[in-house]
Amino acid sequence: ETGVTQSPTHLIKTRGQQVTLRCSSQSGHNTVSWYQQALGQGPQFIFQYYREEENGRGNFPPRFSGLQFPNYSSELNVNALELDDSALYLCASSLRSQTSYEQYFGPGTRLTVT
Amino acid sequence: AQTVTQSQPEMSVQEAETVTLSCTYDTSESNYYLFWYKQPPSRQMILVIRQEAYKQQNATENRFSVNFQKAAKSFSLKISDSQLGDTAMYFCAFMKQFGNEKLTFGTGTRLTIIP
Repeated sequence: ETGVTQSPTHLIKTRGQQVTLRCSSQSGHNTVSWYQQALGQGPQFIFQYYREEENGRGNFPPRFSGLQFPNYSSELNVNALELDDSALYLCASSLRSQTSYEQYFGPGTRLTVT
Repeated sequence: AQTVTQSQPEMSVQEAETVTLSCTYDTSESNYYLFWYKQPPSRQMILVIRQEAYKQQNATENRFSVNFQKAAKSFSLKISDSQLGDTAMYFCAFMKQFGNEKLTFGTGTRLTIIP
C-alpha cells in the first residue's frame, strides 16, 4: 500500500460526456502526476501539479485538465470523451525536494467510454 | 525527448530460478534516474528498484538487482530466486534529474513465474 488513493475504481461513460477522477496523495507529498495507461501499454504522462500549479504537460489535448487543492489532493477532468479515452488512469504522488524524487502510485481508475 | 524500449513482451521462468528483464533507453541528458516498476493484476504500480545515473554501483534490493550500463544506455533487472508473487507486468522507466518529475515508461514485460 502506498497511501495514494483514487476514486472511483471503475467508471463507464458515453462518448461526448465529461468525467472527473480524484486522487488523494500520500501524506506529506506536494506533487501529483497523472498518467494514462491504455490496454497493453505503458503509462503515458498527462500532466503534473506542484503546489496547486500545473508543472509540465504531456502530449494530451486541452480537454484534459486538472486541479490540485491546498491539501494536495487532485482531480483529473476530461471533457468531450472519446472512445480512445478508455484506459486506466493512474495518479502518483511525490515529495519534490533535492533528495526525494520517487513517485508512489494509486490503484488507478478504469474508465470505459462507450 | 527520451524513449524507453523493452524488447521482451513476455517471459516465463520456473519458480526459484533467476530471470533477467531487458531495458534500453535513449536520452541526451547526463543526469537522470532509472526505475523498475511492477504492476500485478491488482493494477497498483509498485516501485521495485531505482538507480541514480551518477552512481556507478548497481542498485540492489533483496532479490532484485540491476545491471546499469550508462554508456550502452542499458538497464536490466535481475530477479533471483523467483517467487510466484513476482508474476506481474514489469515496466522500466526514465526520469530527468532536473525539471518536472515526469516518468517515461517502456511498454512492459509480462513475467510469469511457473510453479
